[in-house]
Amino acid sequence: AQTVTQSQPEMSVQEAETVTLSCTYDTSENNYYLFWYKQPPSRQMILVIRQEAYKQQNATENRFSVNFQKAAKSFSLKISDSQLGDTAMYFCAFMKHRLATDSSYKLIFGSGTRLLVRP
Amino acid sequence: DTGVSQDPRHKITKRGQNVTFRCDPISEHNRLYWYRQTLGQGPEFLTYFQNEAQLEKSRLLSDRFSAERPKGSFSTLEIQRTEQGDSAMYLCASSLVGSLRYGYTFGSGTRLTVV
Repeated sequence: AQTVTQSQPEMSVQEAETVTLSCTYDTSENNYYLFWYKQPPSRQMILVIRQEAYKQQNATENRFSVNFQKAAKSFSLKISDSQLGDTAMYFCAFMKHRLATDSSYKLIFGSGTRLLVRP
Repeated sequence: DTGVSQDPRHKITKRGQNVTFRCDPISEHNRLYWYRQTLGQGPEFLTYFQNEAQLEKSRLLSDRFSAERPKGSFSTLEIQRTEQGDSAMYLCASSLVGSLRYGYTFGSGTRLTVV
């Protein structure tokens, strides 16, 4: 079974600084998808960034980038130039590739990291 | 159609009562998912539909829980004989076949409190 671990329950960063959120996962699959979702207080969960395991290049979306280390099963999120609006819960999530044996379309989430951006 | 809608946003019920939640996905999305999120935890998968067919159910979905998507559009999640342990945020999400690598679109959730 797949598991996702986020070892940092809470983090804090000064506005305009850079912060990195950690995520490790466990799977025997070779091909899969990894995601970071953001859940602001009392608001819906939104997709921040995604990575396909067969792609070696790390994904980047504006101020958000990932460090994907497939062999280490590590998928960290770096937020550059942090903004007050980045304050939220951040969840790392895993999904099997659609062509995997016994493919399922469910996301497996970590327990989340609460990020506070200080003014 | 601007996103996934869930109704109600909040529900307080007495233990033993039945409750039903509704989810309206993005209209062109043919997959619909239900997740449960307890305080301080990540969402846990409950079930998903492709069109009107329920294709997978988690073991978390006890026989007190039932979900339907009768016409492949909106979905309902019913909990019978609610227990205090059912208190959680119930999240609905939708996606389009072939777009899994883009993740889902989530609704704002229904927060259930069982007293």
